[in-house]
Amino acid sequence: EAGVAQSPRYKIIEKRQSVAFWCNPISGHATLYWYQQILGQGPKLLIQFQNNGVVDDSQLPKDRFSAERLKGVDSTLKIQPAKLEDSAVYLCASSSISGSFQETQYFGPGTRLLVL
Amino acid sequence: GQSLEQPSEVTAVEGAIVQINCTYQTSGFYGLSWYQQHDGGAPTFLSYNALDGLEETGRFSSFLSRSDSYGYLLLQELQMKDSASYFCAAGGSARQLTFGSGTQLTVLP
Repeated sequence: EAGVAQSPRYKIIEKRQSVAFWCNPISGHATLYWYQQILGQGPKLLIQFQNNGVVDDSQLPKDRFSAERLKGVDSTLKIQPAKLEDSAVYLCASSSISGSFQETQYFGPGTRLLVL
Repeated sequence: GQSLEQPSEVTAVEGAIVQINCTYQTSGFYGLSWYQQHDGGAPTFLSYNALDGLEETGRFSSFLSRSDSYGYLLLQELQMKDSASYFCAAGGSARQLTFGSGTQLTVLP
C-alpha cells in the first residue's frame, strides 16, 4: 500500500510570509496527525484529527497556525505569518482505528521548512 | 501532560548489545512505544508495551515497568544500519503520542 504522502519536501520562506503543507494519509486511516520536529528534538504533536474532526489541538499555536481536514482524507497545515522559530520539519502521520490503543503511526517523509 | 527522559547519545560497536532507557512522568498513560529515525528520514515504529514485561521483535526487545514509570529498548547484534535516533513515546487516552527528545545511537565498526 502507498505510504503517507507530503508536499512540498522543502520550503524556504522569509519571516512574516505564509506557507502551507499538504498531507495525504494512508488510504482508510481515520486518524491524522501533524507534528513539528525541531532539529535535535522529538516530534511534538500540533494537531490530531479523527476523520474530519479535531481530537487534540492543545499545542497548536492558533494565532499563526491552522489546519483542516475537510473531507476526512487529506489535510493542510498553514502558518501565517511565519517566524524564525518555525524552522523545523513538519511531519504528518496517520493511523487506523482498530479498537486497540496500540495503533502504529505511519509517518510521511516530512516537509523541511527554513524561515529566514 | 506527559514528559519523557532518555539519554541523548549512546555509542556501541558492531555485534554488541545496547540498552536505551526511558523514564516518564504522565497523567493518563496507556503504553510506551519506540520509534527509529534515520537522519533525514521519517520515524518508523519499532515496538509497543501496554503491559509490564518484555516484548521481543527479532533483534529488538522492549520492556515496561508501570510501577517504576520506566522502560527500555534493547538492541542486540548491533549492525551499522542501526545507527539512528531512537525515541520513546508515551501513549495517551486519545491515542496521541508524546515523544521523548531522542537518543542518538552510533554503531562503530
